[in-house]
Amino acid sequence: QKEVEQDPGPLSVPEGAIVSLNCTYSNSAFQYFMWYRQYSRKGPELLMYTYSSGNKEDGRFTAQVDKSSKYISLFIRDSQPSDSATYLCAMIMSGGSNYKLTFGKGTLLTVNP
Amino acid sequence: EPEVTQTPSHQVTQMGQEVILRCVPISNHLYFYWYRQILGQKVEFLVSFYNNEISEKSEIFDDQFSVERPDGSNFTLKIRSTKLEDSAMYFCASTGDIREQYFGPGTRLTVT
Repeated sequence: QKEVEQDPGPLSVPEGAIVSLNCTYSNSAFQYFMWYRQYSRKGPELLMYTYSSGNKEDGRFTAQVDKSSKYISLFIRDSQPSDSATYLCAMIMSGGSNYKLTFGKGTLLTVNP
Repeated sequence: EPEVTQTPSHQVTQMGQEVILRCVPISNHLYFYWYRQILGQKVEFLVSFYNNEISEKSEIFDDQFSVERPDGSNFTLKIRSTKLEDSAMYFCASTGDIREQYFGPGTRLTVT
């Protein structure tokens, strides 16, 4: 079983739609959960992170973590064409000394005007 | 706003040649990383570096790879004898707070 699984999409929505992006993971040692946005041939850009279970909101973005289900989500409200990118979930284990990120494969999102 | 920079943006090399990829992390950061992304695949961890030494390396990071922080600002990844399968985007990242790793724009390595 892969450590972090993410539906690669592609996902295509109209402008203004609510977007839901999800990842599942298998290792309960993951404690920090990140969402990155990656434009084509660019580096990943950190959007937000959460620690353990719960919700976190930042403008139009909301991240949710359900550790009991090993399931994380990113919601984008009022999606804009500029949100079109690949969204990567990534995780860090607790107790380690190097804090490496383990990534999902990414979901390609297109927001159509 | 501080950012991680990487050079070159694109490197073409022949199989068996040595390449050095360069990164300038954000200046007050303490942890440094190299990741790679083969086209169409996920971003994969290669190596982490802290306190002037490797803190962890992945199975990919074999004897052909090495990292160095030669002068307190640059962070380099060397591949001694490149293979076709080393063709990928290589990303440098740094963090001062483990929860916020910042990535550079990447170096696209093409091995022919």
